[in-house]
Amino acid sequence: GQNIDQPTEMTATEGAIVQINCTYQTSGFNGLFWYQQHAGEAPTFLSYNVLDGLEEKGRFSSFLSRSKGYSYLLLKELQMKDSASYLCAGVSGGYNKLIFGAGTRLAVHP
Amino acid sequence: DGGITQSPKYLFRKEGQNVTLSCEQNLNHDAMYWYRQDPGQGLRLIYYSQIVNDFQKGDIAEGYSVSREKKESFPLTVTSAQKNPTAFYLCASSLAGPNTGELFFGEGSRLTVL
Repeated sequence: GQNIDQPTEMTATEGAIVQINCTYQTSGFNGLFWYQQHAGEAPTFLSYNVLDGLEEKGRFSSFLSRSKGYSYLLLKELQMKDSASYLCAGVSGGYNKLIFGAGTRLAVHP
Repeated sequence: DGGITQSPKYLFRKEGQNVTLSCEQNLNHDAMYWYRQDPGQGLRLIYYSQIVNDFQKGDIAEGYSVSREKKESFPLTVTSAQKNPTAFYLCASSLAGPNTGELFFGEGSRLTVL
């Protein structure tokens, strides 16, 4: 199957660190994307992992373990504007056909 | 500036009517996609096209149709056969080919059936 699972909601405090996990059950994914989506807006690209390991980009980092079917997005020094949904998406097949998880709604509070 | 433009942003439709959502991109991308988003659910793929004059069904193609006559344009028609068309529709594009990178999304079109 091509299930992608992530927690539905998370809350965190401004200035803190939060880790959003994503697990997938498929043998056909060739990479994993993370997107941020504010309510009513289009998703915007955060990161892409095709190899195992950690990719760091400013306050955001993403990790992938292909053998475990596991990824996480790490957000540091949280800001109020980070309140959004975070979408995990696997690349299915040989082309950029993305299969999305349901998204994790993150609420950052003071 | 390069990007993807969807129109209209909001659309209301009576039951039994077909509607067409426009998607235009000037990024020179070969691949284009239509996704549907419902509250509490992830994006679900409706149709995608890797090249002009060719497109494939995604996971929820029933009740929808598309065309790809030009590289820049990938309109989506929501037909009266779509049983529950009220949703947020997102168009995206990317470079074609395996693992070539991210999707670029339009701002979305919110369709409401009255």
